[in-house]
Amino acid sequence: DIQMTQSPSSLSASVGDRVTITCRASQGIRNDLGWYQQKPGKAPKCLIYGASSLQNGVPSRFSGSGSGTEFTLTISSLQPEDFATYYCLQHNIYPRTFGRGTKVEIK
Amino acid sequence: QVQLQESGPGLVKPSQTLSLTCTVSGGSISSTSYYWSWIRQSAGKGLEWIGHVHSSGSTNYNPSLKSRLTISVDTSKNQFSLKLTSVTAADTAVYYCVGDFRITRTFDYWGQGTLVTVSS
Repeated sequence: DIQMTQSPSSLSASVGDRVTITCRASQGIRNDLGWYQQKPGKAPKCLIYGASSLQNGVPSRFSGSGSGTEFTLTISSLQPEDFATYYCLQHNIYPRTFGRGTKVEIK
Repeated sequence: QVQLQESGPGLVKPSQTLSLTCTVSGGSISSTSYYWSWIRQSAGKGLEWIGHVHSSGSTNYNPSLKSRLTISVDTSKNQFSLKLTSVTAADTAVYYCVGDFRITRTFDYWGQGTLVTVSS
């Protein structure tokens, strides 16, 4: 299985901050990567697919980049509703595998 | 808007079979654009893709669960189901049913999740 390693596992930030989360794949996955946001008690929600394509309805402050083994999710200006846990997901080969998550908390 | 809803027992005894059903509303499970998936989430393993079924009946399973797993579809009821045999405490998790859009390979539609606890 492809292992997805996210960093950091958690971070504290203020409203308006720029936040970057990194995901590394244990082998090359081209750009077959998605980012998901999960709030407590809720199911995850897709933000980004294909490493950099914004899902319909997702605010433009979210962006993704990367290819191969290294990927980033950037939130350009953190909003109160963005405090959540973020997961990367590789959809290059089966079984699909997720990172362990990055919890974004209020500073 | 497509909605998914899981149903099934919240408590299963060790060595028994975990059975869940997902009912799809607001759309047809016969759509060829989607795989119908199960994903689980536990504190120990995080988010884990279990497997999926297509309306044609074709399946793809996580190798780590394959020997115990069956996912099936009932197009007449707009439902798909999960059966996991010989469960242990390690199978305790929140189980989500999910619509997986084949073109973008995104998990577009999620059920609310159902907690299944394996305990005697």
